[in-house]
Formats: sequence, structure tokens, C-alpha cells
Amino acid sequence: SQQGEEDPQALSIQEGENATMNCSYKTSINNLQWYRQNSGRGLVHLILIRSNEREKHSGRLRVTLDTSKKSSSLLITASRAADTASYFCATDRGSYIPTFGRGTSLIVHP
Amino acid sequence: EAQVTQNPRYLITVTGKKLTVTCSQNMNHEYMSWYRQDPGLGLRQIYYSMNVEVTDKGDVPEGYKVSRKEKRNFPLILESPSPNQTSLYFCASSPRDRVHTQYFGPGTRLTVL
Repeated sequence: SQQGEEDPQALSIQEGENATMNCSYKTSINNLQWYRQNSGRGLVHLILIRSNEREKHSGRLRVTLDTSKKSSSLLITASRAADTASYFCATDRGSYIPTFGRGTSLIVHP
Repeated sequence: EAQVTQNPRYLITVTGKKLTVTCSQNMNHEYMSWYRQDPGLGLRQIYYSMNVEVTDKGDVPEGYKVSRKEKRNFPLILESPSPNQTSLYFCASSPRDRVHTQYFGPGTRLTVL
């Protein structure tokens, strides 16, 4: 069953701009994670945020979590062409079966 | 180098011909899992394993088998592949204390004719 849903499905920006993508989910969660996938390759874990956290940072990444709205956002600041990829959120409810969304495809134009 | 490897990377086969996709990790991780990725559907978990000889079903286990005889290896077996199993498959692993921070393999693109 699809739990996380990313929005927008596709995002096209210029290098240097910020990119924001959102993830909404339906039921309560324990953790939410963001992954990046370059075309046809394996996913790379970016950041995990727990249900009792509201914001986390990692380099140019900022993730927020609003459990009352059942949503999360991933902000990439000062984007680079190398950030071009698909970004997925994944949620879990304490089980070992994470549920991934369909992803946001980000294109950063040089 | 810490990594998850999968073999083969690409495979074209015919309906009903048994196949195995191997997965190996060199990070001494307890947790391993298999996913399939289909356009418009995201990743869906097929099976996972918490440790040697411990496996359990994910969201879409039908038509697949797994085994975990050694900690480092977690092969995915398709006893009788069908065209609806054409997909991109990923193996992943993670340590027991950070089970949700998964390291993914490069993927295996399988086509069943």
C-alpha cells in the first residue's frame, strides 16, 4: 500500500535556486526518510527524521516534519546540476517494512 | 569499500525458467531486504531478513523466494518467472541499530518474456 506521496511529481529549476519537495502520508509514523536516486541506480539515504522531531539539517538539505498535517518537506538550497535525480520519501510505523512514495523527479539546469 | 553488490545487473529470460539474483553486502549488516521498482509505483518491498535464517514477507512476496544462510548473502529466487515480474530489483542492507538507514545495491533489471 502506498503511504508516502511526493509532490510535485516533477520539478525543473535553475542552478543556484532552492528546490522544495513535499511528502504526505496517511497514517501515523515512527520515522520518515528521504532518499535520492540517480537515473537507473540504487537509492542513497539522505536523512531520517523521527516522529518526535520537527526539523533536521544535513549540509544543503533541510527536512521538516509536521505530524499534525502528516507531511514532510525536503529543501535543497543552492541547487547544483549534480542534484538532478529522483527523490523519494519512505515512512515506517515501527515495522521493518518501509513504504516508499512514487518520487519527485528534480532537474537542475546548469 | 563498503557496498552492496547484485548479480546479474541485467537479465532477459523466458517465462517459467527459474532464476536467482544474488545480493551480497560486506558491512556485516543484520538487516537485508529486496525491493522491486516499477514506473509510477515507487519501491515495494518483497522480502526482508533480520538475520541469518530469519526471513519475512514484505508487501509483494508472491512469486518470490529468499534465503539467508549466511549473514552477507540474501539471494532472490524466482521459481517460475512471469512477465509481470519484469521490473528493476534492488537489494538493500542496514545495521541492526539503524535498520531504517538502508544501503542499496545498484539494481538488477529483469525482463521476462
